This record gives sequence, structure tokens and C-alpha cells, in this order.
Amino acid sequence: NAGVTQTPKFQVLKTGQSMTLQCAQDMNHNSMYWYRQDPGMGLRLIYYSASEGTTDKGEVPNGYNVSRLNKREFSLRLESAAPSQTSVYFCASSEGTSGRAWGTDTQYFGPGTRLTVL
Amino acid sequence: DAKTTQPPSMDCAEGRAANLPCNHSTISGNEYVYWYRQIHSQGPQYIIHGLKNNETNEMASLIITEDRKSSTLILPHATLRDTAVYYCIVRVEGSGGGADGLTFGKGTHLIIQP
Repeated sequence: NAGVTQTPKFQVLKTGQSMTLQCAQDMNHNSMYWYRQDPGMGLRLIYYSASEGTTDKGEVPNGYNVSRLNKREFSLRLESAAPSQTSVYFCASSEGTSGRAWGTDTQYFGPGTRLTVL
Repeated sequence: DAKTTQPPSMDCAEGRAANLPCNHSTISGNEYVYWYRQIHSQGPQYIIHGLKNNETNEMASLIITEDRKSSTLILPHATLRDTAVYYCIVRVEGSGGGADGLTFGKGTHLIIQP
């Protein structure tokens, strides 16, 4: 039981390049999330998926797209990377679906992807 | 979601209990108190959560005041590996209509001294 896994661990891009960050969970969770964390700051939600086949914008969605490929996998795509997207990206999952009492729904995080855009 | 206030940093001697305070004076009746921590260069880790009653698990205890305006996370026997930033978050129950994610503030940087 690996929990939440993310690939790659590190990535350096040039401005304008594209890439996809991969996330998978083996806990049979319904909801999955993508966050970014800038130096010295807390987490900010980019996108989330409350169930397979659905995705919704979070606090900072501009410049990103997501795909909930199946129940296990949730990918984040940068179509044209910008230096402002230099950050650490975390994927998370939780058992619940939208509408359930959030208080019973704990999020579990992956190890993160460190992305630098030059 | 209600805002929280935490001290920016704290020190604790190894082997002693670490008590981390959090103020959430505007908490509403259906908001839970959650604690997460983030060890340097790792993803956030869930610690414990509660609504009204005190809670205990294998990692920590959570003490919530009767008026629910503040809480304390207790690590009973702190080790060097407990050095991390600890985040206190309050969250509305069942808020699935908007961004259904956590928002972390600055947290408390707990440093365990040998």
C-alpha cells in the first residue's frame, strides 16, 4: 500500500514548454486534489476531482488543466509553462465525495513534485 | 472558513511534551479543527481532528476549549523527527460546493532541541 505517489520528483522546464504531472493513489479514494506551495507559503488548491469523471477549479486554476483518468489517477498539465508556475506541487486524495460531511474526510498527500520554470 | 492564529515558532526539548496552541475565535458550530504537519521537503501529513470533544490517537492529543475558540495540539514525547511546521485549520462541514480543499496558513515551526 503505497498511498499517494507522484511523478516526477523534480522537473526543470523552459518557458513555453508543456508537461504533465502524474498522481496515483491505491486507497480506493473518491476525491483527488492538486495543490501548489510556493516558498514560505501555505498550500493553494489548483483543481480537485470529487469523483471519477468530474473535475472542478480551485483557488488558482489559471494555466493548468487536469484529467481524472480513472479512480486511481489524476494528472495535472501545464500547457505553456511560465516562471510564475515554479513551485512544489502536491497531489492529495480523500475517501469522501462532494456533499459528504467534510469533517470526516481526511486528505492524504503525496511527496510532491519540485518544478522550476526558467 | 474561520481564520486561525498560531505562533510562528516554538522550541521544545526532546522527550518533553510539545504543546502547540491555536486560536480560532470565529469558529462556527459545524467547523472541525484539523491539524497537519509538514516536515521539510515532504508532503503535509494528517495528525488529528476534532469537533467538540478532546481526541487522542497514536500521534497526538487534541484539546478543544469548551467555547471552541481555541485548541492545543499535544505531542506527548517529542522527538527530533517531530521538527516540522504544524498547521491548524478549521473547516466547514460538507462544503462541497466550492474549492473543497484545505487552505494552509503560515503555521507554527516547531523545533525539537536535543
